[in-house]
Amino acid sequence: EVQLVESGGGLVQPGGSLRLSCVASGFTFSTYWMHWIRQAPGEGLVWVSRIDSDGSSAIYADSVKGRFTISRDNAKNTLYLQMNSLRAEDTAVYYCTRQGPYLDYWGQGALVAVSS
Amino acid sequence: DIVMTQSPDSLAVSLGERATINCKSSQSVLYNSNNKNYLAWFQQKPGQPPKLLIYWASTRGSGVPDRFSGSGSGTDFSLTISSLQAEDVAVYYCQQYYDTPFTFGPGTKVDIK
Repeated sequence: EVQLVESGGGLVQPGGSLRLSCVASGFTFSTYWMHWIRQAPGEGLVWVSRIDSDGSSAIYADSVKGRFTISRDNAKNTLYLQMNSLRAEDTAVYYCTRQGPYLDYWGQGALVAVSS
Repeated sequence: DIVMTQSPDSLAVSLGERATINCKSSQSVLYNSNNKNYLAWFQQKPGQPPKLLIYWASTRGSGVPDRFSGSGSGTDFSLTISSLQAEDVAVYYCQQYYDTPFTFGPGTKVDIK
């Protein structure tokens, strides 16, 4: 059974940092491109970032470029999102998703709240 | 970026009646080399992650009831629930995976009349 489990969310002050993790199981993690999608409270779904299967290529939404870094450790079946210089508008539930080639599996999400 | 729009924003349908949601992309998501539309539909219930309903515009996901169907090609798509059930109350999103950044429609809230 495919599972994606996010962790690392929490409350952080503006300007602070947080690292999200997503542990994958039930499939060969190293062969799939992975994405982060976020959803602000009461709002819709917004794509954040994508990384290819071996971690050699990553792309970002303009709103997070230069502040967020996506990475992966295929030996640990884990996807990461390092978030720096956090702003109030980054408050959201962050989902990791598998691309195969559509977004077929999603984690339960990790809540990130940016507030003083 | 490909902009996705949906209509209506919300709709209320009686139990057992048909519900139709429309989705439009700002450019074609039909990939000519394989004749596939890179368009998916998701269902999201409160407090839950999105669930894949439809991919390739018209292929039902695993375990998705056959009352859900997708149609369309190019830039115009629709999701139809042929006979609305109580458990179908949710927000529905269309999404293109033709090009990065992947983009979503704003969502359509479906409720019971």
